[in-house]
Amino acid sequence: ILNVEQSPQSLHVQEGDSTNFTCSFPSSNFYALHWYRWETAKSPEALFVMTLNGDEKKKGRISATLNTKEGYSYLYIKGSQPEDSATYLCAFRGSNYKLTFGKGTLLTVNP
Amino acid sequence: SQTIHQWPATLVQPVGSPLSLECTVEGTSNPNLYWYRQAAGRGLQLLFYSVGIGQISSEVPQNLSASRPQDRQFILSSKKLLLSDSGFYLCASQTGGFSYEQYFGPGTRLTVT
Repeated sequence: ILNVEQSPQSLHVQEGDSTNFTCSFPSSNFYALHWYRWETAKSPEALFVMTLNGDEKKKGRISATLNTKEGYSYLYIKGSQPEDSATYLCAFRGSNYKLTFGKGTLLTVNP
Repeated sequence: SQTIHQWPATLVQPVGSPLSLECTVEGTSNPNLYWYRQAAGRGLQLLFYSVGIGQISSEVPQNLSASRPQDRQFILSSKKLLLSDSGFYLCASQTGGFSYEQYFGPGTRLTVT
């Protein structure tokens, strides 16, 4: 059974704060690491797909890094806004068609 | 990009009743299709995936089954629902290589009473 861990489980920040959270995954049989944002009452939305050790990806104020050798990825949000409030999911893909998801980090940004 | 349709959005069913959830995909062909469930307090769990018509792989032993009668149609079924089948069910589609993202549908909230 693959173990994908996300921390913290939940996070409350003030508008304008920068924040980051962690996804830990198996370092063997790695193929890709996915990040999704899941807002209440909406579908999970893909943020990044990362495949190479040392990858850094950025979309607006959100960025992510990847370390496949030690099995972790960080997601950063710069200058958090209330609309960033959502659950952030990471998912590990090994050498098959399947994604194994973590339980997510619930981010709440207070205005 | 792909669009995933799921219905119904919410469903309340008694224990022992049958279930049929449908998922259809637009904007792509020959996708890999997935059914996930999120039970209360848990992460997204993969239930079934399909790489083609009539090809279904089951991830966990359970009370559910899946079918793929057409290229862009994926159906989740049960003959007799259990209380433990309650949860949020998501259909997802993925096209291309392993590095491509999955697109998710809006989900169905199932409550078994």
